[in-house]
Amino acid sequence: GNSVTQMEGPVTLSEEAFLTINCTYTATGYPSLFWYVQYPGEGLQLLLKATKADDKGSNKGFEATYRKETTSFHLEKGSVQVSDSAVYFCARVSGGTSYGKLTFGQGTILTVHP
Amino acid sequence: DAGVIQSPRHEVTEMGQEVTLRCKPISGHNSLFWYRQTMMRGLELLIYFNNNVPIDDSGMPEDRFSAKMPNASFSTLKIQPSEPRDSAVYFCASSLEGADIQYFGAGTRLSVL
Repeated sequence: GNSVTQMEGPVTLSEEAFLTINCTYTATGYPSLFWYVQYPGEGLQLLLKATKADDKGSNKGFEATYRKETTSFHLEKGSVQVSDSAVYFCARVSGGTSYGKLTFGQGTILTVHP
Repeated sequence: DAGVIQSPRHEVTEMGQEVTLRCKPISGHNSLFWYRQTMMRGLELLIYFNNNVPIDDSGMPEDRFSAKMPNASFSTLKIQPSEPRDSAVYFCASSLEGADIQYFGAGTRLSVL
């Protein structure tokens, strides 16, 4: 089936630390992959996406590379800020005639301290 | 663009009462999704519509939940009767048909006492 697995959190870092949040997906076809971010009290918003193998999505200093060989889409940022504190969701398109249905991972809570 | 608009932002009700959550998708979007978010179960897809037609309601927990989309600019999610275990944040999202990016509303935080 279609599933997404994220590393369990929560993740707590100091400002300017390096961030990695792991995400793997089930390899049914070559789905588009996404990272969404949810800031406190808000809905989810798209952070970045990649549509095919070896694509790199990037936004706001965050990056993720579509790795077909390891079925992974890990999120990275070289230097986190306090304002990056949020919940991060990895997601994939569910495939088939699913009208853009997405399958989300369980979410990873990130807290960045000054 | 105003984005996806949900109302109310917060709802507190007593067990057994009917609750109606509302959503206005982004103009021109023709796919609409209802999600529920809890600490225990994370983000769950309840139902989604395409061109106002329900496509998949397999995520709806039970018969107490129902959703409608009478036109392209409005959808409701109703819980009748409500129970304390329905307490959660409910999100609505919309997208263009065939597109894969979903745009989320700010959510409705429901508390059933």
